[in-house]
Amino acid sequence: GNSVTQMEGPVTLSEEAFLTINCTYTATGYPSLFWYVQYPGEGLQLLLKATKADDKGSNKGFEATYRKETTSFHLEKGSVQVSDSAVYFCALSDGYGGSQGNLIFGKGTKLSVKP
Amino acid sequence: DAGVIQSPRHEVTEMGQEVTLRCKPISGHNSLFWYRQTMMRGLELLIYFNNNVPIDDSGMPEDRFSAKMPNASFSTLKIQPSEPRDSAVYFCASSLDSQFNEKLFFGSGTQLSVL
Repeated sequence: GNSVTQMEGPVTLSEEAFLTINCTYTATGYPSLFWYVQYPGEGLQLLLKATKADDKGSNKGFEATYRKETTSFHLEKGSVQVSDSAVYFCALSDGYGGSQGNLIFGKGTKLSVKP
Repeated sequence: DAGVIQSPRHEVTEMGQEVTLRCKPISGHNSLFWYRQTMMRGLELLIYFNNNVPIDDSGMPEDRFSAKMPNASFSTLKIQPSEPRDSAVYFCASSLDSQFNEKLFFGSGTQLSVL
């Protein structure tokens, strides 16, 4: 079945360091891909998305490129801040038209950024 | 808008008791989702509604779980009787439409502890 695999955390970085959180997926068809972020004590928020191969999603300095050949959607940021400390979830939707009713999440990767 | 509102924020109960979680989606959103988050299993979709109608409840773990959406502004998730393994954070989310890649807006969750 469809699934998402993320690198396990926690990830601890110093401020201004480069961030990569790996995400690979298994899916039939052409899923849409998402990154959600969960700040402490809050619900998840959509960070960015890509709906087709080679699309790049970007927001708040974060980027991820939909790579069909490697079935990956790695999250990157060039210079992290303390305020980026959160749990990051990779997800895919396998429903027709990208229905989020079938959104499948990875286990999440906790990021801690130290000043 | 106040966002997706869930209540209570925390619930502690004893095994065998009935638990009711509540959710108020964002006004105007047509789709509502219930998720469960645990360390072991991550985020799992339990059920989702479109225009107050349950569309997919295949994620509901067993008959002890039931969800209703009597109108566009209110939904409940009930567990009866509750068991310790039900302990988790339960999230409600809403979106404009489940079919067209509309992003999900999550509530802050209900932390449930069943003793």
